[in-house]
This record gives sequence, C-alpha cells and structure tokens, in this order.
Amino acid sequence: AQTVTQSQPEMSVQEAETVTLSCTYDTSENNYYLFWYKQPPSRQMILVIRQEAYKQQNATENRFSVNFQKAAKSFSLKISDSQLGDTAMYFCAFLSGYALNFGKGTSLLVTP
Amino acid sequence: DAEITQSPRHKITETGRQVTLACHQTWNHNNMFWYRQDLGHGLRLIHYSYGVQDTNKGEVSDGYSVSRSNTEDLPLTLESAASSQTSVYFCASSESLVDEQYFGPGTRLTVT
Repeated sequence: AQTVTQSQPEMSVQEAETVTLSCTYDTSENNYYLFWYKQPPSRQMILVIRQEAYKQQNATENRFSVNFQKAAKSFSLKISDSQLGDTAMYFCAFLSGYALNFGKGTSLLVTP
Repeated sequence: DAEITQSPRHKITETGRQVTLACHQTWNHNNMFWYRQDLGHGLRLIHYSYGVQDTNKGEVSDGYSVSRSNTEDLPLTLESAASSQTSVYFCASSESLVDEQYFGPGTRLTVT
C-alpha cells in the first residue's frame, strides 16, 4: 500500500512571505499522480495543484508551485506571496489506480 | 454549472439505526468515491464505483454499503450506526481515474 507522510502538523507564515509544506510518499510504482488539496474552514476540498510522475517539469499554478523529486519520493508545495485566504488545511495525496491516498494534513495559518 | 452535492449536511443519529447519506453529481462522471475524514487520519476511502452497477470496497468499508443504480447518485448506507462512525463524510467524482476528483461539501455525522 502506498503511504503519504506530511511531517509538519502545523505551520505559520506572515502575509506576503513564502512557505513550503513537505510531503513524502512511499511506492514501488513508476506511473502515478500527486496532488495538493486545500481545505479551508468551510470544509470544502479544493484542488491546488497536480503533478504527473512522468513529467520532470515541476507544476506551477500562479502563486503555488511544487518541488517534485521522484528519486527521493518527495513532493513539497511552495506558496509564494502568502495571503490571508491561504489559511487552511493542506493535504498531499497520491493517486495510483483507483483512489487517492491522503496524508494527515498540514494546518497552515497566515498571519497579518 | 455542474456540481456535486451531499445531503444532509449535518445528521445526528442513535447507535444501531440505519442511516443513508446522499451524494449527487451532475458532471456525468463514471467514477464516484466515498471518504471519511477524522482528526489525525486525513481522508480514508470507504467505497468507490466505476459506473452503474459497479461498487468496490475501500480501505475502511466495514459497516458501510453503497449502490449505484444510475450515473448521478452514489448513496452511502450505514447498516447499524456505531459511535466509531462519527465522522465527516465526503463524496467525490472524477471523469477518469487519473483526473482531479471533485469533492462535495461533506456531511457531518454524529452517532450518539
């Protein structure tokens, strides 16, 4: 079974600063997909960014980018120019086959 | 706009009662999923379906059942509710198995 580890239960960053959330995973597969989901206090799960394992180029979506290290099985999320609305739980997820395997999440607080 | 809805949003029930949580999506997605979210565990897969009349067990399926009689709906039934099933339940759907999963708003279930 694939496991996803988020080693930072809580993090805090000041508005306009940059923060990096860590994620590692364990798999013996070569083709898979990785995701970061955001869950704000509204509880809605929102996709932040997606990475295909066969692509060497790191995915970027506006202020969000990833550092995907396939050999190290690492998939960190960088949030640039943090905004108050980025306050949320962030979940790293691994997809291979039929369903997502989620990490336990990192609670991010953006302060003024 | 296409969407995925869940009902009820909140439910309180007693131990031993049968409970059904509804999930309805208008994207015409073949793939549908049920997850539960508990503190310290992230989201865990309960059941999933690849299409009409198809259902499969996930990681934590004991005590739950699903049925898929049409593309739009995947109701989740707790046959005899237990206090351990107090949780937040999320339904999700996707167009293909490698695509983003779209999540519903969640149902908070309390079993007393």
